[in-house]
Amino acid sequence: GNSVTQMEGPVTLSEEAFLTINCTYTATGYPSLFWYVQYPGEGLQLLLKATKADDKGSNKGFEATYRKETTSFHLEKGSVQVSDSAVYFCALIVSNTGKLIFGQGTTLQVKP
Amino acid sequence: GAGVSQSPSNKVTEKGKDVELRCDPISGHTALYWYRQSLGQGLEFLIYFQGNSAPDKSGLPSDRFSAERTGGSVSTLTIQRTQQEDSAVYLCASSLFSEETQYFGPGTRLLVL
Repeated sequence: GNSVTQMEGPVTLSEEAFLTINCTYTATGYPSLFWYVQYPGEGLQLLLKATKADDKGSNKGFEATYRKETTSFHLEKGSVQVSDSAVYFCALIVSNTGKLIFGQGTTLQVKP
Repeated sequence: GAGVSQSPSNKVTEKGKDVELRCDPISGHTALYWYRQSLGQGLEFLIYFQGNSAPDKSGLPSDRFSAERTGGSVSTLTIQRTQQEDSAVYLCASSLFSEETQYFGPGTRLLVL
């Protein structure tokens, strides 16, 4: 079946630290991959996406590369800020369906 | 432009009552989705409308849940005879076409007492 697995949270970092949130997936076909972010008290927002193998999505200093060989889409940022504190969701779209399958979410807390 | 809007933002109801949740998608988006976000289950797909095609209802958890989309725009999710386990945030999303980026509304927080 189709599924997404994210690293367990919460993740607590100091400001300017390097961030990695691991995400791996299982899917039939060739899914598109997404990272969504949910800031406290706000709705889900698209952070970045990649639609085919070796594509790199990037936004707001975050990056993730679609790795077909390892079925991964790890999220990275070189220097986190307090304002990056949020819940991050990795997701894939099941081919020919439009359904988003989400990972369980990873809470990031950045301390000054 | 305007994003996806949902109403009400919060709903408290008694067990056994019916509730209706409304979603207004982004104008021109042909695909509309409902998801549920709960503590125990994370984010789950419920139902998906694409244009005039029959909806994909494969994620609806029971026959107490139904949804319709009128005129290819506004959608209503109805939960009949609500149960406490239905308490969750119900999210609506829309996209220009199927498999394109989905844009989410702020959600309706449902609490069943």
